[in-house]
Order: sequence, then C-alpha cells, then structure tokens
Amino acid sequence: DAGVTQSPTHLIKTRGQQVTLRCSPKSGHDTVSWYQQALGQGPQFIFQYYEEEERQRGNFPDRFSGHQFPNYSSELNVNALLLGDSALYLCASSLGDGWSNPKNIQYFGAGTRLSVL
Amino acid sequence: DQQVKQNSPSLSVQEGRISILNCDYTNSMFDYFLWYKKYPAEGPTFLISISSIKDKNEDGRFTVFLNKSAKHLSLHIVPSQPGDSAVYFCAASRTGTASKLTFGTGTRLQVTL
Repeated sequence: DAGVTQSPTHLIKTRGQQVTLRCSPKSGHDTVSWYQQALGQGPQFIFQYYEEEERQRGNFPDRFSGHQFPNYSSELNVNALLLGDSALYLCASSLGDGWSNPKNIQYFGAGTRLSVL
Repeated sequence: DQQVKQNSPSLSVQEGRISILNCDYTNSMFDYFLWYKKYPAEGPTFLISISSIKDKNEDGRFTVFLNKSAKHLSLHIVPSQPGDSAVYFCAASRTGTASKLTFGTGTRLQVTL
C-alpha cells in the first residue's frame, strides 16, 4: 500500500522564478493538504484540496496556488519566489475534508526541500 | 501568533525511563489534539490523538494527557526506547477545520543507552 509520495525531493530555484511541487495521496484518500516547514519551525498549513476545490487556506499570499486532479493527486505552485520561500514543503492526505469528522488523521509525505537562491 | 507552543526544544532521557513532552495552546476553540513523530528525511508520522471531551488516551507505551483548564497537554512514553529518538510535534485542530492542523515547533527527544 503506497503512502503519500512527493516529487521532486529537492529543488533549487532563483528569486523570481516559479515552481511546481507534486503530491500523490495515500491509496483511498481523497483530500490533500499542503504545509510549509521552515527550518526550526513546525509545519504551517498552506491550503487543503477536496473534490478538486480549495476548501481551506492558511495565511499565505496568492503567490501560493494549487490544484487537485480527478485522481486526487495535487500540485502546489509558487510564483515569484522569494528567499523566504526556502523550506520543506509537506503534503498530507486524508479521507474526507474533515468538516464533520475531527478525527481525520493526516498522513504525510517525506516532503520537497526547496532552496531559493 | 504561536497558538501551539512546545517550550522545550530538546529532551534527553535514558532508555527505560519515562519521557514527558509538553505542549501548551492558547486557542480555546481547539478541540482535537495530535502528536506526530518525525525522523530525519521522513514526513511526520501520526502517533496518538485526544479529543477535548477526554483527559487521557493511551496506546501501548504512549499516553497523552489533556488539561483543558490549563490549555496544556503532555505525551508520556514509558518505557523510552532508543528508536523513540525523533522530533515530536504537537498539533491541534477544531471542529469544522479538521484538516487545518496548527503545529508547535517540536521537541527533539534523544533516548540514550
């Protein structure tokens, strides 16, 4: 049973560029959430996708956008990269959007480490 | 505004002893709490959770205690094993936004022989 997979594992970009990160959820899961983990910090919620729509969003600018495909996989796009966007980007999958069931355990991938130079 | 705080960045415990990891929160709307464990180069792995209607939840060597009045929770690991050495994150969510986890900054646990 494949868990959450993310690609690529590492990425180096320069300021102003755009980047796309990819995530395949755990088998049977239909919801994908994205988190940013800066060095020495805990993961911070970026947004959640369910039924191909963004359902919840954290305090991140519009430069951060995403997409969910019919097979439940997801992409995170970041435009106009800043040095401060350097971080580990984690994808988490779960079953259901969590609105009615708070016991909605999220399973995380190993992340994509993005370095912006 | 750090709504979930883990004030101890690191903890060292001898094998066989009890490890106690602490977490405080400020948002009284949180009603579900989770602990995740993270090894280097891996994603966080779910460990144990507790609903705000309970004050204790146990799963094998892991027990989570919740003190709602103090807005404090703790994770007890008994007995501690070398394989428990990892970074532990406390996370919280509230009904209606369950997928939006708010994490603490983590505590690095080192279990020594």
